[in-house]
Amino acid sequence: NAGVMQNPRHLVRRRGQEARLRCSPMKGHSHVYWYRQLPEEGLKFMVYLQKENIIDESGMPKERFSAEFPKEGPSILRIQQVVRGDSAAYFCASSATATGELFFGEGSRLTVL
Amino acid sequence: DQQVKQNSPSLSVQEGRISILNCDYTNSMFDYFLWYKKYPAEGPTFLISISSIKDKNEDGRFTVFLNKSAKHLSLHIVPSQPGDSAVYFCAASRYNQGAQKLVFGQGTRLTINP
Repeated sequence: NAGVMQNPRHLVRRRGQEARLRCSPMKGHSHVYWYRQLPEEGLKFMVYLQKENIIDESGMPKERFSAEFPKEGPSILRIQQVVRGDSAAYFCASSATATGELFFGEGSRLTVL
Repeated sequence: DQQVKQNSPSLSVQEGRISILNCDYTNSMFDYFLWYKKYPAEGPTFLISISSIKDKNEDGRFTVFLNKSAKHLSLHIVPSQPGDSAVYFCAASRYNQGAQKLVFGQGTRLTINP
């Protein structure tokens, strides 16, 4: 089952460290989206990428957060100098087209101590 | 600014009965609505959708109703089964806009009691 694969599933970091979350989209999908879910809240859009390009990063915090989707390899969401407020579940989704159905990964749960 | 609201954080229903999950939205430009289902430690999965040209869409045990004048939609599950226990998110956007424009509600945790 070549679904959307995210790793790590759980990540614990101390304040000030870096967190890297990876996402491999479904086979044949070139559109990748990252969402964040804070406790007791819905999913909030962060960034939309299509191979090597950031299409829309309007949901990304201006500092410390970055995302990439290289030609080869998974998409990576990078959070530098993590703070406690970054603790959340980060979901990746992919689609075959820009308006196609979204398929979500199982999420990466980041805990900042 | 919560454009999509699910005011009930949780709902408990007896097996075999009808489950009704509600969702309200404030942006009148939204014309496409979706429901996602999420089990613990899994990602959301698409359940059913409706566009604003309809007021009802049915798929098996699941029916979504849309009341545009009230800016309200609801998901009916009948009969409810234990496997329906999950968190349900409604989401809204403008049709044919990219998925990055989807706005999600906070979710409602549905528990089906045997």
